[in-house]
Amino acid sequence: QKEVEQDPGPLSVPEGAIVSLNCTYSNSAFQYFMWYRQYSRKGPELLMYTYSSGNKEDGRFTAQVDKSSKYISLFIRDSQPSDSATYLCATHASGGSYIPTFGRGTSLIVHP
Amino acid sequence: DAGVTQSPTHLIKTRGQQVTLRCSPKSGHDTVSWYQQALGQGPQFIFQYYEEEERQRGNFPDRFSGHQFPNYSSELNVNALLLGDSALYLCASSLQQAGGYGYTFGSGTRLTVV
Repeated sequence: QKEVEQDPGPLSVPEGAIVSLNCTYSNSAFQYFMWYRQYSRKGPELLMYTYSSGNKEDGRFTAQVDKSSKYISLFIRDSQPSDSATYLCATHASGGSYIPTFGRGTSLIVHP
Repeated sequence: DAGVTQSPTHLIKTRGQQVTLRCSPKSGHDTVSWYQQALGQGPQFIFQYYEEEERQRGNFPDRFSGHQFPNYSSELNVNALLLGDSALYLCASSLQQAGGYGYTFGSGTRLTVV
């Protein structure tokens, strides 16, 4: 079992839809949770990060962590064609190693 | 402000050859991490350099080696290339003790082994 599991998709939605992207993880020591966006032929860029459980909102994006079920979510409101990309979740423990472990990414396509 | 710069952008090598990839970190960053991203997969950690030393290493064979220079730039070397080494190689810079939330990635080097 991989430490971070993510459905590769693709997930295809119409413009304006609410998008839900999800990951599960296995290591209960993980405390930091990140979402990266990766456009084709580009490196990942950090979208959001959260520490421990709870929600965090930034504009159209909301990150949610449920440590009891080891479940990570990213919600995108009013999705735009420019949101079409691969979304990678990543996580690591606090203290000691800060090396993030990545999921395989979910490909999102927002069509006009 | 320049971000992370990687060179070359693309590279084609033959099995058994050796390759060197280069990374210049974001201004102000002192730590460089290298990742391998196969097609359709997430980035896999290779190793991290800080103060010119390899600090942590992922599950990669000794064919993968690296170096960090006094100006914080870094190189990734891969010897005896295999077809399976074909991937996007990503460099991420950060400050030491910053977690993944402090990473800045370059656009990567696309390596094709034929």
